Amino acid sequence: DTEVTQTPKHLVMGMTNKKSLKCEQHMGHRAMYWYKQKAKKPPELMFVYSYEKLSINESVPSRFSPECPNSSLLNLHLHALQPEDSALYLCASSQGQRGSPLHFGNGTRLTVT
Amino acid sequence: AQKVTQAQTEISVVEKEDVTLDCVYETRDTTYYLFWYKQPPSGELVFLIRRNSFDEQNEISGRYSWNFQKSTSSFNFTITASQVVDSAVYFCALSEGIQGAQKLVFGQGTRLTINP
Repeated sequence: DTEVTQTPKHLVMGMTNKKSLKCEQHMGHRAMYWYKQKAKKPPELMFVYSYEKLSINESVPSRFSPECPNSSLLNLHLHALQPEDSALYLCASSQGQRGSPLHFGNGTRLTVT
Repeated sequence: AQKVTQAQTEISVVEKEDVTLDCVYETRDTTYYLFWYKQPPSGELVFLIRRNSFDEQNEISGRYSWNFQKSTSSFNFTITASQVVDSAVYFCALSEGIQGAQKLVFGQGTRLTINP
């Protein structure tokens, strides 16, 4: 069983909808990540939170809005998405220091219609 | 700039064969970390191994083994006596340190299919 839990597993939304992806970890990790993965491609980093503060935004469009309410939770708020945003969204966490492996959740498979 | 190359896009073998997945990396850092992840059809990325740049000792874990060679900037992964359950996409990754976290640079992945 994965130690990083993502909900929902699948999400279908229209371009005018607002939805949120949720991620939770209880390993005491202080860094949390959002990745986007298109079919047959490697994961692409979107956001990094370190000690509950946003430390990296990889030039992600503003229709994606991350939130880290506490050290265990990470949300990704979605608004006015485009069909090309359909992808697998992966959450991960790690200890703060370099070299710590990232632990990934099962992902949310998002389809934008 | 950091870069990871997995030249093998897809590999298909028959069960019980040995298979090696290649990974070549580029970095200017003297201290760095390399990782292998497995992604089965369910989608989760499963951490397999981490290796730091100071430790060139090869590692074996059951049917899995890793060969790290700094001289050729390679970190290859071998599965011995492959099984159908080994079918997955395998990613090699290089870490780029950032404050309080890290950024993984992934290779393009190798899709491994083990046929019964």
